[in-house]
Amino acid sequence: DAGVIQSPRHEVTEMGQEVTLRCKPISGHDYLFWYRQTMMRGLELLIYFNNNVPIDDSGMPEDRFSAKMPNASFSTLKIQPSEPRDSAVYFCASSLTGSYNEQFFGPGTRLTVL
Amino acid sequence: SQQGEEDPQALSIQEGENATMNCSYKTSINNLQWYRQNSGRGLVHLILIRSNEREKHSGRLRVTLDTSKKSSSLLITASRAADTASYFCAPISGGYNKLIFGAGTRLAVHP
Repeated sequence: DAGVIQSPRHEVTEMGQEVTLRCKPISGHDYLFWYRQTMMRGLELLIYFNNNVPIDDSGMPEDRFSAKMPNASFSTLKIQPSEPRDSAVYFCASSLTGSYNEQFFGPGTRLTVL
Repeated sequence: SQQGEEDPQALSIQEGENATMNCSYKTSINNLQWYRQNSGRGLVHLILIRSNEREKHSGRLRVTLDTSKKSSSLLITASRAADTASYFCAPISGGYNKLIFGAGTRLAVHP
């Protein structure tokens, strides 16, 4: 298996632009997680899905952030409009029910908002 | 789930030495996991210890769990430069699947 796949790996955009991050979980995994990592705030859980349904979005910072999972093999995290303080590394992870919550992380997307 | 607190925040050792890092948590758990993050990369699962286990080994890794003290430790023996990374613990309680990560321990292994 190729593991969790994220795209793009790097994104540089200007303030006010829309940004879409993409994630393909490991095939067969039924949980998907979006995290954000910064030096100041560490690794934060933004939202997670179970069987494509959002379960907990309490970590989503504000209405500018939205996440979708239209099917079991694809998820997006969208920021609209983007702001410089959104600059961070965004990770996607997936896991399988019954696996003691072991999560498999993607390589991350490094987002820079100018 | 709950957040674990890793200690120390940073650790610097020479190659060949052992590295020990600790994790404390607040409420009872089902299991506890340790993850490693190399610079610029995603986290990688290292080892899981269940609440009814006291010690577990995986290669050069040894994890202990003391549920009475609500603490765990990760020992890396005969460290290598490639072990340089941040290490995070994740205590799991209840039926929730989400993990909450603390600040981690930054380990630097010098050749």
